[in-house]
Amino acid sequence: DGGITQSPKYLFRKEGQNVTLSCEQNLNHDAMYWYRQDPGQGLRLIYYSQIVNDFQKGDIAEGYSVSREKKESFPLTVTSAQKNPTAFYLCASSISAGSYEQYFGPGTRLTVT
Amino acid sequence: DAKTTQPTSMDCAEGRAANLPCNHSTISGNEYVYWYRQIHSQGPQYIIHGLKNNETNEMASLIITEDRKSSTLILPHATLRDTAVYYCIVRVGESNFGNEKLTFGTGTRLTIIP
Repeated sequence: DGGITQSPKYLFRKEGQNVTLSCEQNLNHDAMYWYRQDPGQGLRLIYYSQIVNDFQKGDIAEGYSVSREKKESFPLTVTSAQKNPTAFYLCASSISAGSYEQYFGPGTRLTVT
Repeated sequence: DAKTTQPTSMDCAEGRAANLPCNHSTISGNEYVYWYRQIHSQGPQYIIHGLKNNETNEMASLIITEDRKSSTLILPHATLRDTAVYYCIVRVGESNFGNEKLTFGTGTRLTIIP
């Protein structure tokens, strides 16, 4: 079955540590996205990638970094510079950058203490 | 992208039609209306989208007013599995490269009552 996988489902880290969240898709989609969701809030775009080896900052990129070395993979690193990293992180993909439908993964809930 | 306004929460009896309103009074001529939903602790799921004509698919119907300033998502026979947060989003259409962002607000929390 095609889809998007994110791992792990739950992640716990100590403050000051960098942590990398995995996102893999086998849908052959060109575009991929990372969103952050805080309790009771909507989604906010962190980074997006329209094509391999290219990515752009979203609305809240500070304290995060990404890479897009392979079409299937778009890992997100939450650095120690991110002041409030505890959140629900969602990865998505779409056929192309302008496509109307984005497919979302199940999310990773990151808790930093 | 235009802003949308949705009620914070709604209830609907199981088996009845759920009608979720959305106001988007500043929508531009080239902006579509999209609906997504998010079941608790899962990723959002695309439901339907439209420009100015009413649309229907296997999940829902979308009714857009003639002036395009508001729309209604209709779930014809709501089930308990339809309990979720529903997001109404306006965005330029598929062909506009560089407008990839979907701006999710806080949505409407729909609860289906047994």
